[in-house]
Amino acid sequence: KQEVTQIPAALSVPEGENLVLNCSFTDSAIYNLQWFRQDPGKGLTSLLLIQSSQREQTSGRLNASLDKSSGRSTLYIAASQPGDSATYLCAVTDDYKLSFGAGTTVTVRA
Amino acid sequence: DTAVSQTPKYLVTQMGNDKSIKCEQNLGHDTMYWYKQDSKKFLKIMFSYNNKELIINETVPNRFSPKSPDKAHLNLHINSLELGDSAVYFCASSQTRQGAGGYTFGSGTRLTVV
Repeated sequence: KQEVTQIPAALSVPEGENLVLNCSFTDSAIYNLQWFRQDPGKGLTSLLLIQSSQREQTSGRLNASLDKSSGRSTLYIAASQPGDSATYLCAVTDDYKLSFGAGTTVTVRA
Repeated sequence: DTAVSQTPKYLVTQMGNDKSIKCEQNLGHDTMYWYKQDSKKFLKIMFSYNNKELIINETVPNRFSPKSPDKAHLNLHINSLELGDSAVYFCASSQTRQGAGGYTFGSGTRLTVV
């Protein structure tokens, strides 16, 4: 059974600092990995999708890496802004479903 | 245009009632899902349909019954609602059952059972 772990559970940084969010998964036989953002009381917004054959994906200030063999992914957010405050969820696809971590709640202080 | 839309957005109902949540996607995806987000914010899959065929049915009480009239729609009917059913229910879709192209989620239905 796939287990996804996200560390840390919460993170508070001053504006402008770079963010590093970690995700690990127990079964490396994944199809892809997806990072989502969830604002309080809202739905899930897809940030980045990394296919199992890829090593990283970038979108603007966001960069996600994937080391499938070691079961790890890292989401980097450069030059954080207060608007980046949200919960970030890592999820992997295997066995025809998406398995989620518990999330990292980020607070960016102005 | 909303890609995955769920109705209603909020649902408050009494214990013992029966309620339905509807979901529609206009992305042309083959596979649709229901996920439950509990009070601790953890997301867990409940059901998955691929081209109207049930392919995943996690350990969910029989009171929950999904129905997919066509591949663009996936509804969730809940009988005899209990306090523990209070949660946010998310509908999602993907191009294929393997999750090709990633998953797109709806905005959620917040169910409160009183």
